[in-house]
Amino acid sequence: GESVGLHLPTLSVQEGDNSIINCAYSNSASDYFIWYKQESGKGPQFIIDIRSNMDKRQGQRVTVLLNKTVKHLSLQIAATQPGDSAVYFCAEKAGGTSYGKLTFGQGTILTVHP
Amino acid sequence: SQTIHQWPATLVQPVGSPLSLECTVEGTSNPNLYWYRQAAGRGLQLLFYSVGIGQISSEVPQNLSASRPQDRQFILSSKKLLLSDSGFYLCAWSVGRKNTEAFFGQGTRLTVV
Repeated sequence: GESVGLHLPTLSVQEGDNSIINCAYSNSASDYFIWYKQESGKGPQFIIDIRSNMDKRQGQRVTVLLNKTVKHLSLQIAATQPGDSAVYFCAEKAGGTSYGKLTFGQGTILTVHP
Repeated sequence: SQTIHQWPATLVQPVGSPLSLECTVEGTSNPNLYWYRQAAGRGLQLLFYSVGIGQISSEVPQNLSASRPQDRQFILSSKKLLLSDSGFYLCAWSVGRKNTEAFFGQGTRLTVV
């Protein structure tokens, strides 16, 4: 079946650095993508989303970039803080009326050192 | 505002025992509801989703079942648990048919012993 995967399972950065988390997807029909943050023992929290008709979207300290040509998604976190330490998942939704069903990648562990 | 409640937070059950996990959503009507399972150190796997009362779609064959007796209530069940059913179970909701994020509950950590 279609899948969403991550290039790097772990990422360690220093506080204040910028972080980039990458994600590759294989379903060219996917039209909606989301980044989630999951802290230990908790449910995933929505960070930012992007539709396939866009290639960039910015939020507060976060930016998502979408490259449909190579089926690549990235999450950039500016001025990373210790509170950003968590597992980050990308998720995709297939095009059409799919009732919001999401396919998740394996996740990247982000560790921010003070 | 919308909220999602999922309980219990943790559960230890013996092999062969039944299971019932409950999820309720407040502050929205006719939500799409989902049950996901997350194995340790892994991503989320969609188990069931529901677009309305009594409407359940199963994504993967398994030892579990789901029911939606009320608009904002979603239940995950098993008649006899297996060791392989251990995991972190997450309920989520969304609205609409197309591009919208799903909001997750806090999860239930199930350990089958």
